[in-house]
Amino acid sequence: QKEVEQNSGPLSVPEGAIASLNCTYSDRGSQSFFWYRQYSGKSPELIMFIYSNGDKEDGRFTAQLNKASQYVSLLIRDSQPSDSATYLCAVNARSGTYKYIFGTGTRLKVLA
Amino acid sequence: DADVTQTPRNRITKTGKRIMLECSQTKGHDRMYWYRQDPGLGLRLIYYSFDVKDINKGEISDGYSVSRQAQAKFSLSLESAIPNQTALYFCATSPGRAGGQETQYFGPGTRLLVL
Repeated sequence: QKEVEQNSGPLSVPEGAIASLNCTYSDRGSQSFFWYRQYSGKSPELIMFIYSNGDKEDGRFTAQLNKASQYVSLLIRDSQPSDSATYLCAVNARSGTYKYIFGTGTRLKVLA
Repeated sequence: DADVTQTPRNRITKTGKRIMLECSQTKGHDRMYWYRQDPGLGLRLIYYSFDVKDINKGEISDGYSVSRQAQAKFSLSLESAIPNQTALYFCATSPGRAGGQETQYFGPGTRLLVL
């Protein structure tokens, strides 16, 4: 089992719809969860992070965390073609050694 | 100016050659990282450094070495490049926060091709 798993996609949604991206993780000691966006050929950039169970909203983005189910998701409301990118989930765990693990990413395509 | 810079941005080299990738940052962060990205494998940590005197191996350090010359500079070396080191390499920094609240800030990447 991979430490951080994401469906590779592509996930295609029409413009204006809600895109739902999911991520599961294996380390129950994981403390912090991050969503990065990466355009093709570019570097990852942080969208948002979440530490506590529940929802966290930032503009059109909502991160949802369920530590009992080891599951974190990202919702993008009113999806735009400019949201088309790969979305990387990252998990930071406190353990004997430093762990900051990225998933392989989900490619999102927003269709105009 | 970019906060995290990488040089070179693109590099073609031959098997067996030694090359160095350089990273500089103006963010004032103590922590710096080197990752490689391969299609289907995501970002994998090569080395990380929490301060100038602290260097740690990551997930895939074999075949690589690093040098932290200053708080702002972190270099990655391939002592004898091989074709399966062909990848996109990213440097990243983070401020270091209690509780693992570690947003990472990435450089633009170096695309390396080993022939």
